[in-house]
Amino acid sequence: KAGVTQTPRYLIKTRGQQVTLSCSPISGHRSVSWYQQTPGQGLQFLFEYFSETQRNKGNFPGRFSGRQFSNSRSEMNVSTLELGDSALYLCASSLAASAYYEQYFGPGTRLTVT
Amino acid sequence: TQLLEQSPQFLSIQEGENLTVYCNSSSVFSSLQWYRQEPGEGPVLLVTVVTGGEVKKLKRLTFQFGDARKDSSLHITAAQPGDTGLYLCAGAQGGADGLTFGKGTHLIIQP
Repeated sequence: KAGVTQTPRYLIKTRGQQVTLSCSPISGHRSVSWYQQTPGQGLQFLFEYFSETQRNKGNFPGRFSGRQFSNSRSEMNVSTLELGDSALYLCASSLAASAYYEQYFGPGTRLTVT
Repeated sequence: TQLLEQSPQFLSIQEGENLTVYCNSSSVFSSLQWYRQEPGEGPVLLVTVVTGGEVKKLKRLTFQFGDARKDSSLHITAAQPGDTGLYLCAGAQGGADGLTFGKGTHLIIQP
């Protein structure tokens, strides 16, 4: 069974631009969660999608948004990029709600904002 | 507010030594997971503990969930260079919330 895939793996953007990251979950998994990982803050929860609906959201500004498609693939968008948005963005998939089912992470997208 | 505190933050030991990593909180968790992450990769799930007092073993790794489900520990026996990595604990509180992660323990095992 193929694991979680994320594209692109690396991305360099300029302040003020926007970016879209993609995540394909493990086949059969319906929940996708997104996390931001930085050296200072560690792994922080962004949001979770289940059956195309956002189930919950972490404490991030509205510039961070996401969506999930009918095939469970998910995208995350960050608008008006800031230098502090430079991070490793990880997505994780699980069979259903992440609070009750084990999550499996993708390799991440390394975003650098200059 | 950091709900899960991991200690130590950094640990460098010689091959063959034993070590323990701690994950503490003032909150109760319905389950707690341990992950290991290598540079440039996503975290890989090692174990999930759900019952207070539960002990799980994975080869040389022993995981324990506190009786009150507020803390957990990871003990590695006879550490090997392949154990090097970032060890993360993550707690689930049920309901609609996602996982809360600790900041991790950077472990280096020197040959």
